[in-house]
Amino acid sequence: QQQVKQSPQSLIVQKGGISIINCAYENTAFDYFPWYQQFPGKGPALLIAIRPDVSEKKEGRFTISFNKSAKQFSLHIMDSQPGDSATYFCAASHGGTSGSRLTFGEGTQLTVNP
Amino acid sequence: DAGITQSPRHKVTETGTPVTLRCHQTENHRYMYWYRQDPGHGLRLIHYSYGVKDTDKGEVSDGYSVSRSKTEDFLLTLESATSSQTSVYFCAISESVSQYFGPGTRLTVT
Repeated sequence: QQQVKQSPQSLIVQKGGISIINCAYENTAFDYFPWYQQFPGKGPALLIAIRPDVSEKKEGRFTISFNKSAKQFSLHIMDSQPGDSATYFCAASHGGTSGSRLTFGEGTQLTVNP
Repeated sequence: DAGITQSPRHKVTETGTPVTLRCHQTENHRYMYWYRQDPGHGLRLIHYSYGVKDTDKGEVSDGYSVSRSKTEDFLLTLESATSSQTSVYFCAISESVSQYFGPGTRLTVT
């Protein structure tokens, strides 16, 4: 059972545009929501993460928006650059403690055209 | 890659043979994980470890076993490789809630 659903599967954005990737979860016990960025041939790299006690978190051009009532969260990439072209994964875990197990979305392949 | 190495990086093996993948960390993190990555499935947890000799199953553990005899090493064994185990395998480590991934091992079972 896929507990984290991610959309879209692929996304093409022009340079300077806003990229938006959405995730929805089912388990209300989830309390940690990270996003990972993965380049071809590399391992996923932690990009940004949020806890459900805040509705938004921003780090540079990357913002997570969180809607607890809708059980949805999204990644916004402002001023998208060709170097942002990668696969992005959302994830969720519960327990809020060390060693929590992550459940991942299916991934979104982002292409930013110059 | 946060002080994580995986070996081998690429391997081709035949159906029915045993295969062992190694994850080595230099961060002294307590928790270690093995995931597999397949198109359309994201990353799925195979097994994880919460300390030396302490391991537990993830969501896709059938056909896999693990061992952790030292803090720095976490081994994943495919007891009898099948074509369905062709995948990219990632090791991850954590000390807190954040997990950090290694570079991956691409395994092909023919």
